[in-house]
Amino acid sequence: QSALTQPASVSGSPGQSITISCTGTSSDVGGYNYVSWYQQHPGKAPKLMIYEVSNRPSGVSNRFSGSKSGNTASLTISGLQAEDEADYYCSSYTSSSTIPYVFGTGTKVTVL
Amino acid sequence: QVTLKESGPVLVKPTETLTLTCTVSGFSLSNARMGVSWIRQPPGKALEWLAHIFSNDEKSYSTSLKSRLTISKDTSKSQVVLTMTNMDPVDTATYYCARIRRGYFHFDYWGQGTLVTVSS
Repeated sequence: QSALTQPASVSGSPGQSITISCTGTSSDVGGYNYVSWYQQHPGKAPKLMIYEVSNRPSGVSNRFSGSKSGNTASLTISGLQAEDEADYYCSSYTSSSTIPYVFGTGTKVTVL
Repeated sequence: QVTLKESGPVLVKPTETLTLTCTVSGFSLSNARMGVSWIRQPPGKALEWLAHIFSNDEKSYSTSLKSRLTISKDTSKSQVVLTMTNMDPVDTATYYCARIRRGYFHFDYWGQGTLVTVSS
């Protein structure tokens, strides 16, 4: 089971919108609406930001939104803020026989 | 308030067995919907799912590590234990435990993580 593919880095200026992609296969991202996104600041634990493609947990800013098309899921951060600078990981349920969950390669978001 | 906290050795020698404990609060390991996963992250690298256990003792392991992993729980102590045998320097990572719920496929609460270094 290969990791989901994310861009290594994405950057934007404060106030702008950015989108992070997460590409998998029909056995994971494309086959199920079980994509989740996690934010990780340096030295900190990951934090759930989006689950089931587009749902936000209570307390997560509505500047974060998720979507999916085919085998690619996306996380959009609108109104970019300095505090959004972090690493972001996607994850998906997978029908792989080796593991039930697969993570993405991770994207470093830089606020210019 | 849901919390999870990992504990265990910070340094292990190659070939030794690692034992990590996840102590949870704010939810019960006897709740039919609750489970705990272990996930690790080598320095500067991505997350890797290792194993999970649910309240009914249902367990699942990463196939690539299955021969080395054992997950168990002590409901009375609100603890989930992960053991990994034959440790190698490539196993150096921060190990996290995280809560999962039956019927959902995301990790909603995470522990702070514990860095384990494998070195002689």
